[in-house]
Amino acid sequence: QSALTQPASVSGSPGQSITISCTGTSSDVGSYNLVSWYQQHPGKAPKLMIYEVSKRPSGVSNRFSGSKSGNTASLTISGLQAEDEADYYCCSYAGSSTWVVFGGGTKLTVL
Amino acid sequence: QLQLQESGPGLVKPSETLSLTCTVSGGSISSSSYYWGWIRQPPGKGLEWIGSIYYSGSTYYNPSLKSRVTISVDTSKNQFSLKLSSVTAADTAVYYCARQGRYYDILTGYYKNAFDIWGQGTMVTVSS
Repeated sequence: QSALTQPASVSGSPGQSITISCTGTSSDVGSYNLVSWYQQHPGKAPKLMIYEVSKRPSGVSNRFSGSKSGNTASLTISGLQAEDEADYYCCSYAGSSTWVVFGGGTKLTVL
Repeated sequence: QLQLQESGPGLVKPSETLSLTCTVSGGSISSSSYYWGWIRQPPGKGLEWIGSIYYSGSTYYNPSLKSRVTISVDTSKNQFSLKLSSVTAADTAVYYCARQGRYYDILTGYYKNAFDIWGQGTMVTVSS
């Protein structure tokens, strides 16, 4: 059982927008603006897509955006493309004993 | 550009110790801006943070694995290493090393940030 809760799967059609939620607690997501999101294609290493809740690394499409409200962080992908089909994981700083927690992952299917 | 590469045995016997090394190239492991971490992913499952280390040798471990994990750093070789003892089949996974940002808040100090650069991963199977 993962520390952060994500939906197992989401889907959308090309061009649409989808949002993936990541629910934690007041000890992790709710207390720190240190939520990150990763994209993972089959057989590949994860790729950082969002850090510090809403910042995009250089080279990541602006179709990807992040936000947070209370204990829940969200990743939104707009203008869905076939290449966005992948697994997505959230991650959060979780204080000075647990340190780092991941979500269980969400499989995005582009219909 | 910075690259990370995991190396080590792909097969480990139950009850033995898993040992992996991550070699950092294209940059220094002795940067004050980063930690260096290990993350694993069992087949068909999600990511699990194992632990992280700062170049000074300070370590931070997943509480659920802490009793079996040792992470060390060799700055002269630009490498950091993972040892996981008393392995079982449940430790079978792809093991990734990654660079982790070190976030600084002027009021409250340092925090562990995102993993921005990852190695390609190495599959380790625990089996007799």
